[in-house]
Formats: sequence, C-alpha cells, structure tokens
Amino acid sequence: DIQMTQSPSSLSASVGDRVTITCRASQDINNYLAWVQQKPGKGPKSLIYAASTLQSGVPSRFSGSGSGTDFTLTISSLQPEDFATYYCQQYHSHPQTFGRGTKVEI
Amino acid sequence: EVQLLESGGGLVQPGGSLRLSCAASGFTFRHFAMSWVRQAPGKGLEWVATISGSDGRIYYTDSVKGRFTIFRDNSEDTVYLQMSSLRAEDTAVYFCAKRGDPNHCSGPTCYFDYWGQGTLLTVSS
Repeated sequence: DIQMTQSPSSLSASVGDRVTITCRASQDINNYLAWVQQKPGKGPKSLIYAASTLQSGVPSRFSGSGSGTDFTLTISSLQPEDFATYYCQQYHSHPQTFGRGTKVEI
Repeated sequence: EVQLLESGGGLVQPGGSLRLSCAASGFTFRHFAMSWVRQAPGKGLEWVATISGSDGRIYYTDSVKGRFTIFRDNSEDTVYLQMSSLRAEDTAVYFCAKRGDPNHCSGPTCYFDYWGQGTLLTVSS
C-alpha cells in the first residue's frame, strides 16, 4: 500500500496567517491526490482533487500544488472557519490511502 | 444539493452483525460508485469498501474481506454495508462517500466529492 505522510501533525496559527501543509507519498502517484477538511463531529468535506483542482464552492484562499511524491495545501489567509483537521488522500493505486491528518488550531 | 444520510449504527457485541445504510439524493445515483470510509475514535480516515454504479464491481480493504458486504439498491438510491463477525477494532464512525468525477479517477480508486455525516459503530461486550 502507498503510505501518505503529512506534516506537521498539528500547527497553531492566527486569523490572516498563510498556512502550508505538506503531504508526501511513498511512491509516485502522479497528480492523483486529494485534500479534505474535517471539523469535529462532522463528515469530511472535499477541498481539492487532482492535486490542484478546487472543488466547486471551495474558497479561492485554498490552493494545492505538487506532483509525483510531494504535495502542498496552502491556505493564503486563514479564516475562523478554517480551523479544522486536513487530510490528504492518494487515489493512484488500490487501496486508496489517507495521511494521518494535520490539525490547524488557533 | 447532494446529500448522503447514514443510519444503522449502534452498540454490538464482538462477533455480532449490523447493517449500515446510506440514503443518497441530489444526483443520479446509479451513475456513481459509492464507498464506505471509517474513522476510529481519535484516528484518521480508512477506506473500507467501494461498489460501482451498476456493473457490480466491488472492492474491500483486506481487514474486512469475508466479513463485510457492500451492496446497493439503485431503485431506492441507497447503499448498504452489511457487517458480520464484528471485532473491537471495527469500532468507528462509518462515512458514506460518493465517488468523484470519473475523468479524474484512476481505475477502481478515486477521490470523494461528497461525504455523509457518519454513523457510529461500537463493538464492545
């Protein structure tokens, strides 16, 4: 199985900060990489797929980049509603696998 | 608006069985593969099973093969997860998820563009 390693596992930030989360795959996954956001007690929400394509309705302050094994999720100006846990997911190979998550805290 | 509503979770003894349901609306159900993804308490996300839209292809993670069965009723826009021989390590919130744009998928794997709110399964004596 492809292992997905996220860093950091948690971070503290303030409203307005630029935040970057990284995700590394254990092998080349081309651009088959998605990011989801999860708030406590809620189901995940799709943010980005194909490494950099924003899901419909997702604010433009979210962006994704990368290809191959190294990927980045960037929030350009953190808003109060963005405090949540973020997971990357590879869907290049079966079984699809997730990173362990990055918790963004105030 | 796409909605996925899970139900059926609860407390089950080890070795027991339970069936989860996910009622879908807001899209043409039979056109999309559906999956179950679980999250153990305080842990990350783990894909469990996927069923294709209408041609019967089914995939499972190794830890549930032979114990879990995913199936769907396209006339009722509902996907199910029948679980048996349940173990403590199956304790988790189970999410129903809709497969994303087929043009951006890779064979049996894909991202998920919509998720439900989850239903909690607790396996304990």
